[in-house]
Amino acid sequence: NAGVTQTPKFRILKIGQSMTLQCTQDMNHNYMYWYRQDPGMGLKLIYYSVGAGITDKGEVPNGYNVSRSTTEDFPLRLELAAPSQTSVYFCASSPREVSLYEQYFGPGTRLTVT
Amino acid sequence: AQKITQTQPGMFVQEKEAVTLDCTYDTSDPSYGLFWYKQPSSGEMIFLIYQGSYDQQNATEGRYSLNFQKARKSANLVISASQLGDSAMYFCAMRERGGQAGTALIFGKGTTLSVSS
Repeated sequence: NAGVTQTPKFRILKIGQSMTLQCTQDMNHNYMYWYRQDPGMGLKLIYYSVGAGITDKGEVPNGYNVSRSTTEDFPLRLELAAPSQTSVYFCASSPREVSLYEQYFGPGTRLTVT
Repeated sequence: AQKITQTQPGMFVQEKEAVTLDCTYDTSDPSYGLFWYKQPSSGEMIFLIYQGSYDQQNATEGRYSLNFQKARKSANLVISASQLGDSAMYFCAMRERGGQAGTALIFGKGTTLSVSS
């Protein structure tokens, strides 16, 4: 049981490039989330998904897109990368809507845009 | 509006001492959960402790306890007998049952704890 896995761990992008951050969970969780953490700050929600085929925006969605074709996978797409997207990206999952218990986090992807 | 407030950017404590990390929150939802996560320098998010809004007793997990004062909307983390390995960033977070964003967590800005020998 690997939990939540993210790839890559590190990436450097040039301005204007695109990339996809991968996130996979093997716990059969319905809810999945993408957060970003800027230096010295807490995490902010980018997008979330309540199940396959259903996604919605969080607090800071501009410049990102997501899809959820399976329960396991929730990739985050960056189009036209900008320096403001330099951050650490965390994917997380949780079992069900009514759960008020913990979210399970992946190890993070550190992205630098130069 | 920010819903989680951590007013201590940094805290310093000696080994074996207890330390309290402050957290206040704001919500109109009667059902919510409060969480503390630890983030060491390696970057991963480690779940520490959870308190539900209807829980009658304060949560405890080993050396961690949560001082939950509902009327004051505070959820302070108490670490007893600090260890060098406790040096990390600590985040308070809240999850609202009726929240729009699929019950995503709302995080505070964090407190950096430094434990010295």
